[in-house]
Amino acid sequence: DSGVTQTPKHLITATGQRVTLRCSPRSGDLSVYWYQQSLDQGLQFLIQYYNGEERAKGNILERFSAQQFPDLHSELNLSSLELGDSALYFCASSVRYGGEQFFGPGTRLTVL
Amino acid sequence: EDQVTQSPEALRLQEGESSSLNCSYTVSGLRGLFWYRQDPGKGPEFLFTLYSAGEEKEKERLKATLTKKESFLHITAPKPEDSATYLCAVQAGYTGANSKLTFGKGITLSVRP
Repeated sequence: DSGVTQTPKHLITATGQRVTLRCSPRSGDLSVYWYQQSLDQGLQFLIQYYNGEERAKGNILERFSAQQFPDLHSELNLSSLELGDSALYFCASSVRYGGEQFFGPGTRLTVL
Repeated sequence: EDQVTQSPEALRLQEGESSSLNCSYTVSGLRGLFWYRQDPGKGPEFLFTLYSAGEEKEKERLKATLTKKESFLHITAPKPEDSATYLCAVQAGYTGANSKLTFGKGITLSVRP
């Protein structure tokens, strides 16, 4: 158990809908990263927050957004969902910017 | 752009048959190379961090090594419970987008009893 929690574990929804994925980092970790894992692309970086502020963006679609709250938990919002958004979404946390990142169990999103 | 290539894509071993997994990387300035283990449908589990060429880390049957261009994960006398996908990732810096991990596609290891 990495200490990172994610909810829900599974999410099934329809095209065009909006969903919210939640992540709680390890106790004491200030940095949260979101990654998408699909079969053909592997693990891809989406976005990073540090102590409530956005610090870096990867290849994140405009339909996707995220935020980190004062209690350091983070939410990833996915809207206008398409079939291709079906994937595993992971969050990871670290104490600071660099160094090891510890991953949560992931949320499996299925868009029908 | 940072790149990580892992080979082979899949590896099947007999229990006790030692082997090595390869991770080749191209990064502007390596701050860390990471190995993770991932079981199907689970999150990646951290194994090792290597920071500089020549560094080695060991944990049970696993040993990770690093050169300026590649890293190896050596598996000695593997057991069926070592079956998993092994992911390699690089980190180019400590700030902003450089602190993200760039992953390879992984090596799926199967160990037969």
